Amino acid sequence: DAKTTQPNSMESNEEEPVHLPCNHSTISGTDYIHWYRQLPSQGPEYVIHGLTSNVNNRMASLAIAEDRKSSTLILHRATLRDAAVYYCILRDTQGGSEKLVFGKGTKLTVNP
Amino acid sequence: EAGVTQFPSHSVIEKGQTVTLRCDPISGHDNLYWYRRVMGKEIKFLLHFVKESKQDESGMPNNRFLAERTGGTYSTLKVQPAELEDSGVYFCASSRPPGQGNTGELFFGEGSRLTVL
Repeated sequence: DAKTTQPNSMESNEEEPVHLPCNHSTISGTDYIHWYRQLPSQGPEYVIHGLTSNVNNRMASLAIAEDRKSSTLILHRATLRDAAVYYCILRDTQGGSEKLVFGKGTKLTVNP
Repeated sequence: EAGVTQFPSHSVIEKGQTVTLRCDPISGHDNLYWYRRVMGKEIKFLLHFVKESKQDESGMPNNRFLAERTGGTYSTLKVQPAELEDSGVYFCASSRPPGQGNTGELFFGEGSRLTVL
């Protein structure tokens, strides 16, 4: 079972920032927080990941709470192409299974 | 670089028939994964290859499913005999070996849609 909790859906306007929350209260010390997204009719796509510190890349930013029990994916300026289902996933690569456990994710709608 | 490619993109078969799905990972990616999404459910892990060896096959639903990766390159997933509940989208993903400065990200293909009538 997925070890994360996300809202089922969120809505945003184009050009505005979007903050997608994720709760993972049972996170262990070796779990990385990964975010993937799935655009319609495509396979999942990696967005970003982090362990303890906030992370930035060309796609998004990841803000991780100090206690690591929650995190937020930040899209700085949403575009119509960002409409997708976003998955927050804990991944333990320290001797555990490397598989990704997908939950239901958050369906992001971006309004023009 | 070329992405993960899957074939066929869509297959329609009758219950009891056999279907073989193929996945070509990104060149140099030792890790290869199979996932699937059946109607109305989340994406579920099926199995993980490291080169030609099965690292984790805990997600394989039953013995009607057989995955192979001879030579550690492309992989096939055979369903024999197919049942109605096997309908869904089968995704393949690959990733680089650990280390080498990589992020560990999985690169997914666009999926093979299977419809069993």
